[in-house]
Amino acid sequence: DIQLTQSPSFLSASGGDRVTITCRASQDISSYLAWYQQKPGKAPKLLIYAASTLQSGVPSRFSGSGSGTEFALTITNLQPEDFATYYCQQLNSYPFTFGPGTKVDVK
Amino acid sequence: QLQLQESGPGLVKPSETLSLTCTVSGASINSGSYFWGWIRQPPGKGLEWIGDIYYTGDTYYNPSLKSRLSMSGDSSRNKFSLKLSSVTAADTAVYYCASRRPGGASSFVSWGQGTLVTVSS
Repeated sequence: DIQLTQSPSFLSASGGDRVTITCRASQDISSYLAWYQQKPGKAPKLLIYAASTLQSGVPSRFSGSGSGTEFALTITNLQPEDFATYYCQQLNSYPFTFGPGTKVDVK
Repeated sequence: QLQLQESGPGLVKPSETLSLTCTVSGASINSGSYFWGWIRQPPGKGLEWIGDIYYTGDTYYNPSLKSRLSMSGDSSRNKFSLKLSSVTAADTAVYYCASRRPGGASSFVSWGQGTLVTVSS
């Protein structure tokens, strides 16, 4: 199975900050990576697919980058509604796997 | 707009079979536009992909669950289902159904609200 690691596991930030979350795959997954946002008690929401393509309706302050084994999710001008947990997922090969998550909390 | 809704028992006894159904609206499960999948999340933990089914009936299971897992589709009612046998407390989780775009845009684009299944006697 392809393992995904995320860093940091926990991030404290303030409104207006620029934050970056990284996701590393245990082997080359090309650009088959998605990012999701999850708030407590809610289903995950797709933010980014194909490593860097913004899902329709997602604010442009979210962006994704990377390919191969190194990926990043960047949120610029952090808004109150962005405090949540973020997961990466590889869809290059079965079984699809998720990263352990990064919780973005209020500083 | 594509919408999914999980349904099924919220409590299952150990060693029994967990059965869930996902009702899809806004798209036909026979359209070939999506794979139809299940993901679960134990309380306070991360996400685990369970498996996918395609309109052809082809299924793709997580090897960690494959021996206990069965997925099927019912095109007449536009639903797909999950059965997980011989459950233990470790199968307690929120179970989500979701639609996955195939190909280069592969991603779980729409999700149900999730249903908590507790395994307990």
